[in-house]
Amino acid sequence: GAVVSQHPSRVICKSGTSVKIECRSLDFQATTMFWYRQFPKQSLMLMATSNEGSKATYEQGVEKDKFLINHASLTLSTLTVTSAHPEDSSFYICSAKGPLSNQPQHFGDGTRLSIL
Amino acid sequence: AQSVTQPDIHITVSEGASLELRCNYSYGATPYLFWYVQSPGQGLQLLLKYFSGDTLVQGIKGFEAEFKRSQSSFNLRKPSVHWSDAAEYFCAVGRMNSGNTPLVFGKGTRLSVIA
Repeated sequence: GAVVSQHPSRVICKSGTSVKIECRSLDFQATTMFWYRQFPKQSLMLMATSNEGSKATYEQGVEKDKFLINHASLTLSTLTVTSAHPEDSSFYICSAKGPLSNQPQHFGDGTRLSIL
Repeated sequence: AQSVTQPDIHITVSEGASLELRCNYSYGATPYLFWYVQSPGQGLQLLLKYFSGDTLVQGIKGFEAEFKRSQSSFNLRKPSVHWSDAAEYFCAVGRMNSGNTPLVFGKGTRLSVIA
């Protein structure tokens, strides 16, 4: 089946650091990638949608200057949390899908971000 | 707009017992429906999907789900639960002819399995 690789799986860093998370589709072309944030024992919260070669579309309340998303190719999207603070600590999950509406979203294994 | 309701926040079943997780959706046309499973600290894994045709779909790990248009439901079932099935389960709905629109997820049902 379709595989999405997300790296790193866990990051611990000091407040003020910028952190980059990579999301790769390994065996299919991901025309669209989604970035989610998940708080403990809660459902996924969509942060942004990115289409290859286009600017990302952010959900209401998500700061685009704080969470920089790049989708430069059909297999790679990155999320950079700039100047991270403890309140940014969370579980971030990427998801990728192909161009057809009946294709499911495939998820990475998530990144646990802890800001000290 | 689409929406998904998973009425049960938490379900506990005994190992070997049958399981049914409920999912109701709201969408004006025929939806694309999905069930995902999430183990602690992991991403989501696709269990099964429904697009059209046979309303009873088979998935991985012995799961199945039945699409019932009249009830706007897509309940997930398994005849005999294993301890390894303990996880969070999410139902999701997608729209036809909308390739880059994200799925709409329910809030999830946490499954606990006891001996």
